[in-house]
Amino acid sequence: GEDVEQSLFLSVREGDSSVINCTYTDSSSTYLYWYKQEPGAGLQLLTYIFSNMDMKQDQRLTVLLNKKDKHLSLRIADTQTGDSAIYFCAETLGAAGNKLTFGGGTRVLVKP
Amino acid sequence: DTGVSQNPRHKITKRGQNVTFRCDPISEHNRLYWYRQTLGQGPEFLTYFQNEAQLEKSRLLSDRFSAERPKGSFSTLEIQRTEQGDSAMYLCASSLRGSWKETQYFGPGTRLLVL
Repeated sequence: GEDVEQSLFLSVREGDSSVINCTYTDSSSTYLYWYKQEPGAGLQLLTYIFSNMDMKQDQRLTVLLNKKDKHLSLRIADTQTGDSAIYFCAETLGAAGNKLTFGGGTRVLVKP
Repeated sequence: DTGVSQNPRHKITKRGQNVTFRCDPISEHNRLYWYRQTLGQGPEFLTYFQNEAQLEKSRLLSDRFSAERPKGSFSTLEIQRTEQGDSAMYLCASSLRGSWKETQYFGPGTRLLVL
């Protein structure tokens, strides 16, 4: 079945790196995504990784995928106060464009 | 490209009333999705359309919920006889079927409070 899990909370100092972790159970995941949600707002796509990739880097964001352990992580370098938000990982099974299954979200608090 | 828009942004209603939400997707996108997000949780899939055809419905979508996309452009989500448990953020997303990676872009959501 589909199950995506994340830790609830992460506190980090401004300028440090943040690492947000996610585990999923379905090995047929094809795409895995990271979305950011600020208070009262919709979801903003940050980045994604295809299941045959191990790593993807996009400016301050690095996504690591360990398919054997079904573990996904998002590293944010040089974390800024504007990075304070809730971060969701999500998977899609089968073809891209199918429904997304989300984790419960990790609230990231960046302290000055 | 004006992004996905949703109306209204907020809705307060009394239990038992009907409510309707509207979603306007990105103009060239042929897929449209509805999700529901309760406080402190991640979004949960409700249903999606490709053009005007409703291709999948979640078991979360009870008989009181109905979604339409009559002309393959905007969509409406109606909840009949609302219950307090329907209080949530209702999110709409759209994507372009056939494009590489078919990313879903989300609207700002409609927050529903049922009293």
